[in-house]
Amino acid sequence: DAGITQSPRHKVTETGTPVTLRCHQTENHRYMYWYRQDPGHGLRLIHYSYGVKDTDKGEVSDGYSVSRSKTEDFLLTLESATSSQTSVYFCAIRGLSGANVLTFGAGSRLTVL
Amino acid sequence: AQKITQTQPGMFVQEKEAVTLDCTYDTSDPSYGLFWYKQPSSGEMIFLIYQGSYDQQNATEGRYSLNFQKARKSANLVISASQLGDSAMYFCAMRDPYEGGSYIPTFGRGTSLIVHP
Repeated sequence: DAGITQSPRHKVTETGTPVTLRCHQTENHRYMYWYRQDPGHGLRLIHYSYGVKDTDKGEVSDGYSVSRSKTEDFLLTLESATSSQTSVYFCAIRGLSGANVLTFGAGSRLTVL
Repeated sequence: AQKITQTQPGMFVQEKEAVTLDCTYDTSDPSYGLFWYKQPSSGEMIFLIYQGSYDQQNATEGRYSLNFQKARKSANLVISASQLGDSAMYFCAMRDPYEGGSYIPTFGRGTSLIVHP
């Protein structure tokens, strides 16, 4: 969907290095989310944001931090990547396709060696 | 404890047949919403259908319908006249009640559907 983009789409990094994933929206939607997807676990919420500088933790937030300094960008940072953070990361926004619907980005595949 | 339970890791269906994907949920709040998403092998998450807890009728979107049974806390997805392109992972999700303005959707672990020709 052109309204939400994630970057990078693919990244390979080494254990202990910092990684930042970016989620960008072209609208002014208030709610943004970061999920990770792992086989057998579905999608699990890492962090979410309900406005500029307003963020909160999800169920798997350990090892992750987020920032939202402007409405259109929601950044997910792994301060020191570990192999357990190898995953596919999805950003989502609420309201792009209906008030109750989450619209997802294309996903970012992260491999931590 | 899981809020969303999808008990079928994998399902098979013959092309043109109907299939039901199961989803049960757990919440004590009277106001909530239920979703189904499709994830084909290409990886994108595609919204299919939404049901609000106060909606009187079951939601339908083309070949997709949501069989909502509130007393049983189930929100099964029914796909009629299956097509080969329906082969995908399907995720059931629920949005938590609003708490301080937050809106937290929780996902199940998914069901893999394979449609045979």
